[in-house]
Amino acid sequence: QKEVEQDPGPLSVPEGAIVSLNCTYSNSAFQYFMWYRQYSRKGPELLMYTYSSGNKEDGRFTAQVDKSSKYISLFIRDSQPSDSATYLCAPQTGANNLFFGTGTRLTVIP
Amino acid sequence: ETGVTQTPRHLVMGMTNKKSLKCEQHLGHNAMYWYKQSAKKPLELMFVYNFKEQTENNSVPSRFSPECPNSSHLFLHLHTLQPEDSALYLCASSQGGGGTEYGYTFGSGTRLTVV
Repeated sequence: QKEVEQDPGPLSVPEGAIVSLNCTYSNSAFQYFMWYRQYSRKGPELLMYTYSSGNKEDGRFTAQVDKSSKYISLFIRDSQPSDSATYLCAPQTGANNLFFGTGTRLTVIP
Repeated sequence: ETGVTQTPRHLVMGMTNKKSLKCEQHLGHNAMYWYKQSAKKPLELMFVYNFKEQTENNSVPSRFSPECPNSSHLFLHLHTLQPEDSALYLCASSQGGGGTEYGYTFGSGTRLTVV
């Protein structure tokens, strides 16, 4: 079983839509949960960081972690064409190594 | 451009060539990483260096040889590669040690094609 499962998409939505991106994981030791955004021909950049279960909001982005079901979500409200990118979930144990999902490619159509 | 710079951006090499990828960070981080990114696969951790010492080699074939002369520079030496080694090679750095809200800082990667 993979450490992290993520639907690779692609996912296309109209501008203004609410986007839901999800991951599941198998390792109960994961405590830190990150979302990275990767634009074409660029490296991933950290978008959101959450510690343990709960929600965290940053502007149009909300990260949600449910440790009981091992489920990670990223919601994007009022999606914009500039949100078009690949989104990677990355849970982490207390050690320093991140585990990445495959990434979901999102396209927001004007 | 991020605080992590990778060169070259693109590289095409034959299976008998020897080449090197370079990574440089000026963020004061003490940990550096090499990742391999292939289509429809998760990022694969290759090597980890903490304070210039290699702390992890994730069962990477010996045709990939890392070098970390100081905390700011990381190299990946390549020789006798195979076509399946074609991928985006990403370098990252971090402050190291445990979970951190700052995560990793990635470079833009080197797109490697082995012919």
